[in-house]
Amino acid sequence: QVQLVESGGGVVQPGRSLRLSCTASGFSFSSFGMYWVRQAPGKGLEWVAIISYDGNNKYYADSVRGRSTVSRDNSKNTLNLQLNSLTSEDAAVYYCARDGKDCSRSTCYLGHQYKYSMDVWGKGTTVAVSS
Amino acid sequence: DIQMTQSPSSLSAPVGDRVTLTCQASQDIRICLNWYQQKPGKAPKLLIYDASTLETGVPSRFSGGGSGTDFSLTITSLQPEDIATYYCQQCDNLPLTFGGGTKVEIK
Repeated sequence: QVQLVESGGGVVQPGRSLRLSCTASGFSFSSFGMYWVRQAPGKGLEWVAIISYDGNNKYYADSVRGRSTVSRDNSKNTLNLQLNSLTSEDAAVYYCARDGKDCSRSTCYLGHQYKYSMDVWGKGTTVAVSS
Repeated sequence: DIQMTQSPSSLSAPVGDRVTLTCQASQDIRICLNWYQQKPGKAPKLLIYDASTLETGVPSRFSGGGSGTDFSLTITSLQPEDIATYYCQQCDNLPLTFGGGTKVEIK
């Protein structure tokens, strides 16, 4: 079945770095854009980053831009998020999610690569920031 | 950035009631609006995309409407399994933004 499984969360000291991963199965990973979305304890959802199906286009929320990198390895069906200079504001459950546009069935080109809807979600991985 | 405002922040209604949640965008987003359901301790689930299109497998008691800046999510007959927080998300432009959520409880 279609599945996303996140890993890499844990407790990290302020100022340190963390690399989160998401492994996809049950669908053609290389045909879909992918997201990272986070949720701080007791708070709402916050979009973090998006990467195109081929990895050539990436966009970040202002809150992480400049200190984070989203990447993907389509040969391994894996999505990654490198987070640097962590602060207490980064403590959250981090979800990976799939974009709703299948680029194997639709034409995807710059500016038209995403549906901007998240139709498959992982269960999330928790990041805590503490000294 | 496009701001998304949901109301009410919480509601409580009896089983079988019709409930309507609203979401307002700070600017015209056409029909670029998605709704998600998040049950306690679980990941969000896509319910509706493009303001009114039901995602596959979502019960027909859920419906969405609206365009421009004002949107709604209606549950025609509230069921115990609908206890959740519902989020709207605009899909018109980056950065993607979510509303603050509406928590739905059973009275």
